[in-house]
Amino acid sequence: QSVLTQPPSTSGTPGQRVTISCSGGSSNLGSYTVNWYQQLPGTAPRLLMYSNNQRPSGVPDRFSGSKSGTSASLSISGLQSDDEAEYFCAAWDDSLQGFVFGTGTVVIVL
Amino acid sequence: QVRLEESGGGVVQPGRSLRLSCAASTFSFSDYTFHWVRQAPGKGLEWVALISSDGNTKNFADSVKGRFTISRDNSKNMVYLQLDGLRPDDTALYYCARGRVTIFGVVEFWGQGTLVTVSS
Repeated sequence: QSVLTQPPSTSGTPGQRVTISCSGGSSNLGSYTVNWYQQLPGTAPRLLMYSNNQRPSGVPDRFSGSKSGTSASLSISGLQSDDEAEYFCAAWDDSLQGFVFGTGTVVIVL
Repeated sequence: QVRLEESGGGVVQPGRSLRLSCAASTFSFSDYTFHWVRQAPGKGLEWVALISSDGNTKNFADSVKGRFTISRDNSKNMVYLQLDGLRPDDTALYYCARGRVTIFGVVEFWGQGTLVTVSS
């Protein structure tokens, strides 16, 4: 079961900026950093952001992340058609002693 | 380059068992924590289990605790997930994923998944 809450979808036109929120609690986002994954249709998730705002090699700087308290966000600037995907946040959870994932947000490029 | 390849999925009746395997090609396999994460059709991601680098720590999601077991063979670069007492709601694509040295380190690399279907 997802413990982190995300909006089901968001949309924007090419070139716009969209932001995805992720809300958790004291045992996860309140105590640990957030990671973000991008899942293109029919493919495995890919790590997009880790430790709140660190981009793995190969991830463009159009993607940025932040965290404050028990909430986090991922922003995509200069939206492109190949950004259409589902995005999941994730964090370690002390109560579970495992990872919890967000409910997922589908980004639609209009 | 890290490559993870899952196998062992299939169609199984409720109550039966399956063993999933994950072949990993990664530098210093024995240094890393490995995870299984599943995704039911059309649904989100659910963390299932982890095994620490030395195999001594094994954690499970509440939904599978007591039914699934995880193991690894550091001599073969393999990770396994034993699924017992399968239920229809275990139907999902099961991903093997590599974490970091610590069990709470980011889940970094993912395989392509193996599909488990539980149906009579």
